[in-house]
Amino acid sequence: AQSVAQPEDQVNVAEGNPLTVKCTYSVSGNPYLFWYVQYPNRGLQFLLKYITGDNLVKGSYGFEAEFNKSQTSFHLKKPSALVSDSALYFCAVRDEASGTYKYIFGTGTRLKVLA
Amino acid sequence: DTGVSQNPRHKITKRGQNVTFRCDPISEHNRLYWYRQTLGQGPEFLTYFQNEAQLEKSRLLSDRFSAERPKGSFSTLEIQRTEQGDSAMYLCASSLVGAEKKAFFGQGTRLTVV
Repeated sequence: AQSVAQPEDQVNVAEGNPLTVKCTYSVSGNPYLFWYVQYPNRGLQFLLKYITGDNLVKGSYGFEAEFNKSQTSFHLKKPSALVSDSALYFCAVRDEASGTYKYIFGTGTRLKVLA
Repeated sequence: DTGVSQNPRHKITKRGQNVTFRCDPISEHNRLYWYRQTLGQGPEFLTYFQNEAQLEKSRLLSDRFSAERPKGSFSTLEIQRTEQGDSAMYLCASSLVGAEKKAFFGQGTRLTVV
């Protein structure tokens, strides 16, 4: 069965410092991995995805994520955090090999960037 | 492209009443998803459609829940005999067919059952 784990409920980082939000996954086939961000009273907004190819993917707002197959991880990173990055971040996986097209989401990590 | 639209944005209902939510996907998108999100949790999959066909339903979708997408465009999610445990944010998303295609989410309908 597909699953996603986000081990940290909350990550605090000082503005200007690098940030990492962790995600690990479990699928039976090749994973399709996504990061979404949710601001208060807003829907989920797409940040970036990994389908195939280069393990380092770049996305919106200066975010990037590194796919690591051996560690089954897809951690979200940003070199220099902004206060406006404070939000709820969700990692999601799809396993097309299983014949399903649904996204499985993690429980989310709240990022707080402190001025 | 006006994005995914959900109506109403908020719904307060008494326990035992029926409610219906509507989702209008991005016009050319043939996949449509419904998710439920409770406070402090990630979105939980409920069901999805490809065109008008409902291809998968979660076990979360009890017999009180029904979803339709009659013409492969907009979709409705109905909850009959609402319970307090149904209080949540109901999210709709749409996408094109294809492994690399990302889903676009609406702003959700927040249901409160009192």
